[in-house]
Amino acid sequence: DAGVIQSPRHEVTEMGQEVTLRCKPISGHDYLFWYRQTMMRGLELLIYFNNNVPIDDSGMPEDRFSAKMPNASFSTLKIQPSEPRDSAVYFCASSIQSGRANEKLFFGSGTQLSVL
Amino acid sequence: RKEVEQDPGPFNVPEGATVAFNCTYSNSASQSFFWYRQDCRKEPKLLMSVYSSGNEDGRFTAQLNRASQYISLLIRDSKLSDSATYLCVVNMRIKAAGNKLTFGGGTRVLVKP
Repeated sequence: DAGVIQSPRHEVTEMGQEVTLRCKPISGHDYLFWYRQTMMRGLELLIYFNNNVPIDDSGMPEDRFSAKMPNASFSTLKIQPSEPRDSAVYFCASSIQSGRANEKLFFGSGTQLSVL
Repeated sequence: RKEVEQDPGPFNVPEGATVAFNCTYSNSASQSFFWYRQDCRKEPKLLMSVYSSGNEDGRFTAQLNRASQYISLLIRDSKLSDSATYLCVVNMRIKAAGNKLTFGGGTRVLVKP
């Protein structure tokens, strides 16, 4: 079974450029989460979807960040324009709603973003 | 005060020894608790769930103290491969929004020969 697939693994870009991160959740999972991890702030939840619908985006830092889930097998996180302080590892995770099973998150390998 | 707090460590542990560390949470309405393991430059992976007072899985024991609002993780007979960052996760169920999982900052454990 394929796990959560994220692309790209690494992204280096210049300040002001648009960055798009991609995620394919595990087939059949109905929750999808975007997290950001830095040394200073740890793992922070940015936004999550249930059945492709955004449920809670209160963690999205500002309007420069946007996320979409056009279908059950694909989601994007976009940063436009990017800034050096956006440099972090961005993780996508998915889970399935089944009693307590939806509390177990399966993470992708992450995207290491460096904004110069 | 952070919702979920952990001692960042590192905890330097001799191979074969026992190590234990705690995680405190601020919201008394929190309903379930987890320990995730994260290796360097890798994604977090679920280690253990803690639904009632505690849980044991081989060399790993997790305990929950609701009165004092903390959970602990104990690792017996430490192996070199146990070196990792251990993330405490607290879940609060929100009716309309499902589950809100909050991660602690992690406790780094280094097992040395």
